[in-house]
Amino acid sequence: KAGVTQTPRYLIKTRGQQVTLSCSPISGHRSVSWYQQTPGQGLQFLFEYFSETQRNKGNFPGRFSGRQFSNSRSEMNVSTLELGDSALYLCASSLNSQETQYFGPGTRLLVL
Amino acid sequence: GENVEQHPSTLSVQEGDSAVIKCTYSDSASNYFPWYKQELGKRPQLIIDIRSNVGEKKDQRIAVTLNKTAKHFSLHITETQPEDSAVYFCAALDTSGYSTLTFGKGTMLLVSP
Repeated sequence: KAGVTQTPRYLIKTRGQQVTLSCSPISGHRSVSWYQQTPGQGLQFLFEYFSETQRNKGNFPGRFSGRQFSNSRSEMNVSTLELGDSALYLCASSLNSQETQYFGPGTRLLVL
Repeated sequence: GENVEQHPSTLSVQEGDSAVIKCTYSDSASNYFPWYKQELGKRPQLIIDIRSNVGEKKDQRIAVTLNKTAKHFSLHITETQPEDSAVYFCAALDTSGYSTLTFGKGTMLLVSP
């Protein structure tokens, strides 16, 4: 099976812009979770989607949002970008969120 | 919610030595504990996991132990090799509901030849 894929892999934006990141899960996986990874902060949970429904949300401002499509692909959107949003954004897929999660390669976002 | 503490934050060993990374968790309902390895510039990859119905699990040079009473679990790597150098993350999850995987902050392991 093909692994989890994420696009784009790298992105440079300026403050105030918005960005959309995409994640394609492993075929058959219905759960997609998103994480923000920054040096020193580890992996911080953003949100989890299962069958097009957001089931859990981490402690991030409303500028961070996401959605999941009927084919389980997921997108996350960050509006009004801030310098502090610069990070590696990882998605992970699993059969359901209670099973092993497999990570994508991540999208590295740099906000200038 | 769950809180996972991981120690040490950095660990330097000589090739051939053993390495041990320890994690503690706060939610006694957590029953699934995976470990991920993340090499520089790569994605986190699952290397071993353990469920609360067992106390120890081994896979070649890697082993994980779990003490449910004390709420801690550890990763043991024997005969370390330079290619073991990476950041290792522990995590905990309560699989009975819709809770989410909670990660420790990671341990950077450096294995010197």
